Amino acid sequence: AQSVTQPDIHITVSEGASLELRCNYSYGATPYLFWYVQSPGQGLQLLLKYFSGDTLVQGIKGFEAEFKRSQSSFNLRKPSVHWSDAAEYFCAVGADAGGTSYGKLTFGQGTILTVHP
Amino acid sequence: GAGVSQTPSNKVTEKGKYVELRCDPISGHTALYWYRQSLGQGPEFLIYFQGTGAADDSGLPNDRFFAVRPEGSVSTLKIQRTERGDSAVYLCASSLNIGPQYEQYFGPGTRLTVT
Repeated sequence: AQSVTQPDIHITVSEGASLELRCNYSYGATPYLFWYVQSPGQGLQLLLKYFSGDTLVQGIKGFEAEFKRSQSSFNLRKPSVHWSDAAEYFCAVGADAGGTSYGKLTFGQGTILTVHP
Repeated sequence: GAGVSQTPSNKVTEKGKYVELRCDPISGHTALYWYRQSLGQGPEFLIYFQGTGAADDSGLPNDRFFAVRPEGSVSTLKIQRTERGDSAVYLCASSLNIGPQYEQYFGPGTRLTVT
């Protein structure tokens, strides 16, 4: 069965500092990987996704993530954090057509990002 | 255009009562998903529909939970004999079709509190 681990429950950074949020996944085949952001009172919004090809993917709001198969990781990065980035971030994995979990996403427990001015 | 909408936004009910949570997907989206998000956790899959039929209901915790999508658009999640452990935010998402390559668009959720 697929699973996702986000080791950091809460991260605090200063505005303008760089950011890296960790995500490790478990999946037998090539995974479909996603990062979502959830702001208070808002629905989940897709930041970026990886299916295949270039292992460094660019997303919205200046975020990027790198897929590393050898480490089973898909860490999210941003070079300079803005106060508006404060939110909860979720990594998720989706299964391909050959899997029994086709169509659904498995999420990590989330990382809460606090940004200090 | 309009996104996924969910009603009510908040629902408080007493233990043992029956509740219905409604989801209006994006028009034209054939796939519809329900997830449950408990406090401090990520969303957990409950069930998804392709058209009118439930394609995978493996995430429903027990037979008190049931969901329908009779006309292939609006869906209702039904919970019988609610328990305090059912308290959570129930999220609905829709996508153009089934498969991870199709982005899932999430609604704002229904916060269910069972007292």
